Amino acid sequence: GAVVSQHPSWVICKSGTSVKIECRSLDFQATTMFWYRQFPKQSLMLMATSNEGSKATYEQGVEKDKFLINHASLTLSTLTVTSAHPEDSSFYICSASLVIAKNIQYFGAGTRLSVL
Amino acid sequence: AQSVTQPDIHITVSEGASLELRCNYSYGATPYLFWYVQSPGQGLQLLLKYFSGDTLVQGIKGFEAEFKRSQSSFNLRKPSVHWSDAAEYFCAVGPASTGNQFYFGTGTSLTVIP
Repeated sequence: GAVVSQHPSWVICKSGTSVKIECRSLDFQATTMFWYRQFPKQSLMLMATSNEGSKATYEQGVEKDKFLINHASLTLSTLTVTSAHPEDSSFYICSASLVIAKNIQYFGAGTRLSVL
Repeated sequence: AQSVTQPDIHITVSEGASLELRCNYSYGATPYLFWYVQSPGQGLQLLLKYFSGDTLVQGIKGFEAEFKRSQSSFNLRKPSVHWSDAAEYFCAVGPASTGNQFYFGTGTSLTVIP
């Protein structure tokens, strides 16, 4: 149980375009989902915390207009990278915590974004 | 300030040898502690967690970890490493009261020599 699906796993886009990444909890309801960014050989950097039905909370230094987060249901959160640039190329990972066990995060497989 | 330190950036062990990955944390409240494993190009898989009770916790794939409050440590161990254990390992600490901010260490990369 507690499977988190992230799609797509890899996306290549042109500079200036927008890319949407989906994060779904397949077999549980997630009140809270998290979006992380990971640079090569580095740890995860929390970008934002997303609660169902409310605005996401962004970490300091993360542009909310650049990284749009929507959490419309208890099983789906989306991250849209708007007007992507090469410096946005990275590995993006989402995680979700259960309604009944908020202290555990289950992670998606990640999305590798390459902006040309 | 909350932080997690994994002193070893990279560890190489021979297959069949024992393994210990170090993790030290600084946290202002009662922590929940986690170890995750990440294979190349993949997300993170939860190996084990400590919330309370017995300070030696068992996880998946034969891993265990011991919480030592006096040393602020939560080291991961495995008695006999398999080649498939080669991966990146992350220690994390989270709050006991809510399910929000996790703090991750910088990770330890494990190489297993046949």
